[in-house]
Amino acid sequence: DAKTTQPTSMDCAEGRAANLPCNHSTISGNEYVYWYRQIHSQGPQYIIHGLKNNETNEMASLIITEDRKSSTLILPHATLRDTAVYYCIVRVANQAGTALIFGKGTTLSVSS
Amino acid sequence: GAGVSQSPSNKVTEKGKDVELRCDPISGHTALYWYRQSLGQGLEFLIYFQGNSAPDKSGLPSDRFSAERTGGSVSTLTIQRTQQEDSAVYLCASSLVGAPVRFFGPGTRLTVL
Repeated sequence: DAKTTQPTSMDCAEGRAANLPCNHSTISGNEYVYWYRQIHSQGPQYIIHGLKNNETNEMASLIITEDRKSSTLILPHATLRDTAVYYCIVRVANQAGTALIFGKGTTLSVSS
Repeated sequence: GAGVSQSPSNKVTEKGKDVELRCDPISGHTALYWYRQSLGQGLEFLIYFQGNSAPDKSGLPSDRFSAERTGGSVSTLTIQRTQQEDSAVYLCASSLVGAPVRFFGPGTRLTVL
């Protein structure tokens, strides 16, 4: 069973904010939400992760709903180089952690 | 080294041959992952090593695939009797247990003729 649901594709204009949604309605209390991306022909790149509080780093912001059943990754000013497949993953992150499983992700296309 | 390294970077083999792919994780990283990515496809989880615990082998596609991790460091992924559908980029990643997986190797591109 897929733990997350993401739209297959999204478009965004360069310079605008890209808001990528993810549903994880069966998330457990000890599971974190992780976001990765893969730019064409490159390896995966970690973006951000969070448990229940909103998080921000130099790449993006992560907004998690209060019930933790969904989240949104925000790229505040998308550039052409942000065109990639974005993966939302839920995973336990403790000593008995589980494998990091990538789903199909959202293909984000940023255009000028 | 400073990052995860993999060897060889490219491997061309004939159908039916065995191949070994190597991953050198970042020193001190006790968690190690293998993935593969076929052309135009997503990342497919293969196996996960976590410290001294039994590895999670749930992603291995067939019994032709096996992996080991010696001394908690270097890992070798072995594919026996390779088939053309095994052609893919094989990626390795490592992390501290419980930490985000940030470090992926450059991959080994396997081509089975």
